[in-house]
Amino acid sequence: AQSVTQLGSHVSVSEGALVLLRCNYSSSVPPYLFWYVQYPNQGLQLLLKYTSAATLVKGINGFEAEFKKSETSFHLTKPSAHMSDAAEYFCAVTSRGGGSNYKLTFGKGTLLTVNP
Amino acid sequence: GAVVSQHPSRVICKSGTSVKIECRSLDFQATTMFWYRQFPKKSLMLMATSNEGSKATYEQGVEKDKFLINHASLTLSTLTVTSAHPEDSSFYICSALWGFSGNTIYFGEGSWLTVV
Repeated sequence: AQSVTQLGSHVSVSEGALVLLRCNYSSSVPPYLFWYVQYPNQGLQLLLKYTSAATLVKGINGFEAEFKKSETSFHLTKPSAHMSDAAEYFCAVTSRGGGSNYKLTFGKGTLLTVNP
Repeated sequence: GAVVSQHPSRVICKSGTSVKIECRSLDFQATTMFWYRQFPKKSLMLMATSNEGSKATYEQGVEKDKFLINHASLTLSTLTVTSAHPEDSSFYICSALWGFSGNTIYFGEGSWLTVV
């Protein structure tokens, strides 16, 4: 069984400040981990993914995340927030299976607000 | 990145009627697609896994006779909500797995269903 916990349903930062969105996972097998962003009334856009290569993963729009097995964490960071980063962010986990075993389990999401 | 398209983006239907939502992978073949439902300000709930050429696998608690899923080709999966009721109103999102043993899932833009 797999699960994802996103600490903080709402994070508010000032423009230019560091963004830190927390994600902890639980998985009985080595996981694949993902961060997705969702803008209002839209689908999900992949920000970045961890698939057992480098533990520090760089994604789009200046975001990056670090896989820490000892802490079962995959926190998302961005050095300097931009107004356009305001959105809902979802962390997701899946097992390294193929085909229909490749189900994503999502966290509950974190709403990021960026203040001018 | 890969593109997954959903149609329609918004649909309003009368209670008791059926409505079909299409999910297409535009630039890759997807043997597996997933259908999610998202309630306002909530996370994504996996409804079913759609496999090309075979029956869909439904998650526990999802009525397979109400939410008909057909994956007729490697680029198209459809979700038909039969005998729709107002409580079926929601945001439905599909996703497609890229590659048989691939490790990335791409999401469509989502479809808003309103049952009146």
